[in-house]
Amino acid sequence: DSGVTQTPKHLITATGQRVTLRCSPRSGDLSVYWYQQSLDQGLQFLIHYYNGEERAKGNILERFSAQQFPDLHSELNLSSLELGDSALYFCASSVSGRRADTQYFGPGTRLTVL
Amino acid sequence: AQKVTQAQTEISVVEKEDVTLDCVYETRDTTYYLFWYKQPPSGELVFLIRRNSFDEQNEISGRYSWNFQKSTSSFNFTITASQVVDSAVYFCALSEATSGSARQLTFGSGTQLTVLP
Repeated sequence: DSGVTQTPKHLITATGQRVTLRCSPRSGDLSVYWYQQSLDQGLQFLIHYYNGEERAKGNILERFSAQQFPDLHSELNLSSLELGDSALYFCASSVSGRRADTQYFGPGTRLTVL
Repeated sequence: AQKVTQAQTEISVVEKEDVTLDCVYETRDTTYYLFWYKQPPSGELVFLIRRNSFDEQNEISGRYSWNFQKSTSSFNFTITASQVVDSAVYFCALSEATSGSARQLTFGSGTQLTVLP
């Protein structure tokens, strides 16, 4: 158990809908990262937050947004969902956000868009 | 731009055989970090090891060992006396500066290891 929690574990929804994925980092970690794992794209970095501030964006679609709250938990919002958004979404956390930090991953949320 | 290549898509071995998973990376940074993660059938990503670019010592942890060679930009992972529980997808990843203090991981495509009893 990495100490990173993600809810829900599974999510099934329809095209056009909006969902929110939630992540709680390990105790003491200030950075949260979101990654998407799909069969065709592999594991891709989406976005990084450090202590409530956005620090970097990767291949994140404009329909997706995230935030990190004062208690350091983070939410990833996915809207106008398409079939191609079906994937495993991981949250990871690290102590600070330096490149030396190890990122510890949560169990993931499996999103299925029908 | 950074890139990680895991050329072996799938490997199948019989229990107790040794197996090496290859990882080749590209980076322009002189300081960077390399990682290996394991993804068992249950789906979670489990951290295995972190190595920085200025420490080329090989590392051994039980049945696992890692060989880092800067000259060939490789960071290979060997499992000795493999076990069925080692069956998983293994990812190699690279961390270098993107912008500001952000540190994203770039992952390889993964190697599916199957250990047969």
